[in-house]
Amino acid sequence: NAGVMQNPRHLVRRRGQEARLRCSPMKGHSHVYWYRQLPEEGLKFMVYLQKENIIDESGMPKERFSAEFPKEGPSILRIQQVVRGDSAAYFCASSPSQGTYYEQYFGPGTRLTVT
Amino acid sequence: GENVEQHPSTLSVQEGDSAVIKCTYSDSASNYFPWYKQELGKRPQLIIDIRSNVGEKKDQRIAVTLNKTAKHFSLHITETQPEDSAVYFCAAIGAAGNKLTFGGGTRVLVKP
Repeated sequence: NAGVMQNPRHLVRRRGQEARLRCSPMKGHSHVYWYRQLPEEGLKFMVYLQKENIIDESGMPKERFSAEFPKEGPSILRIQQVVRGDSAAYFCASSPSQGTYYEQYFGPGTRLTVT
Repeated sequence: GENVEQHPSTLSVQEGDSAVIKCTYSDSASNYFPWYKQELGKRPQLIIDIRSNVGEKKDQRIAVTLNKTAKHFSLHITETQPEDSAVYFCAAIGAAGNKLTFGGGTRVLVKP
């Protein structure tokens, strides 16, 4: 039973480029969450999605960041025109669609470095 | 929105001793409180959780207590071992929905 998958694990981008981070939830999970962790800090909520729907994006920066979770395929977090301050670990979590829907399990993260 | 405070930020204990981490939350409607363990460079790992209708929960050497009146909850680790060394995060889900609000983390060091 595969856990939450994220790729790439490490991503290096120059300032101004685009970063695309992918997340495949655990089997049977239809709720996906993205969190950001700055170096030596805690995790901050960014966005909560279900298939084809953004449920809560209250933690997403208003510009340059977008997220989607299409009917088929992984969830994508997209960062346009990256800046040095975007360097962080981005974690995806998923939770079941029924039952213990509140239990969130994290993927290994994507460590983004902006040079 | 929800705000979670966590103390202490660092905790050093001798192997075999107990470790206690405390968190407070602001949203009285919060109803789910998980604890995550994160080793260096790894993912946060759910180690125990508690719902608001329960005051205490145990799983082997770890336990969590919840005081809804005071809006605080605590993680207790007994008989600590070197492999317990990690950063521990508390979190809460508020009335707004499913998003987790995390505390700032506690770096636990267990000295052999």
